[in-house]
Amino acid sequence: SQKIEQNSEALNIQEGKTATLTCNYTNYSPAYLQWYRQDPGRGPVFLLLIRENEKEKRKERLKVTFDTTLKQSLFHITASQPADSATYLCALNDYKLSFGAGTTVTVRA
Amino acid sequence: NAGVTQTPKFQVLKTGQSMTLQCAQDMNHNSMYWYRQDPGMGLRLIYYSASEGTTDKGEVPNGYNVSRLNKREFSLRLESAAPSQTSVYFCASSEATADSPLHFGNGTRLTVT
Repeated sequence: SQKIEQNSEALNIQEGKTATLTCNYTNYSPAYLQWYRQDPGRGPVFLLLIRENEKEKRKERLKVTFDTTLKQSLFHITASQPADSATYLCALNDYKLSFGAGTTVTVRA
Repeated sequence: NAGVTQTPKFQVLKTGQSMTLQCAQDMNHNSMYWYRQDPGMGLRLIYYSASEGTTDKGEVPNGYNVSRLNKREFSLRLESAAPSQTSVYFCASSEATADSPLHFGNGTRLTVT
């Protein structure tokens, strides 16, 4: 089964800067990869899906890239705001949808 | 729409006790899932149900049973709780297509002493 690794350290950034999160996987390239946001005490909420034949996907201030050669997806939050503070999870289709442990982002005003 | 509703929100059990976690969705989704989330380990799939009447084991099924009562409801039962089952449990649902995003409930925080 896939091993999914996200930034192990929490990310602390200044408001207005770009946050970049990584998601690495170990085995075969999945057909698609999803990103979720999770706030404390809540369930994850779907943000974006990117397929293996797509290099980049955007949604408002969010951008996701997918590099099957590097076995990596990058998740960018541009012009970050304190409201973007949360834990972000990547997920890919393995046996069923498998999740990384998440990266916690804190945006300082 | 309520989306995915889980009950209870919190539960404390003693070792050996049993309980059932309830989950209901109002999005007419075919597929439903139970995950557990532990610090540093991400979400791990316990059981899933691709459609009404079917259930399958996920990554960590031992110690759990499930029932897909109807299209809306998918329950998770712990027959004899153990401290290792202390976790946050999430129910999710999705449409039938493979790449459909999951819609999660807000979880049940279970402590087994």
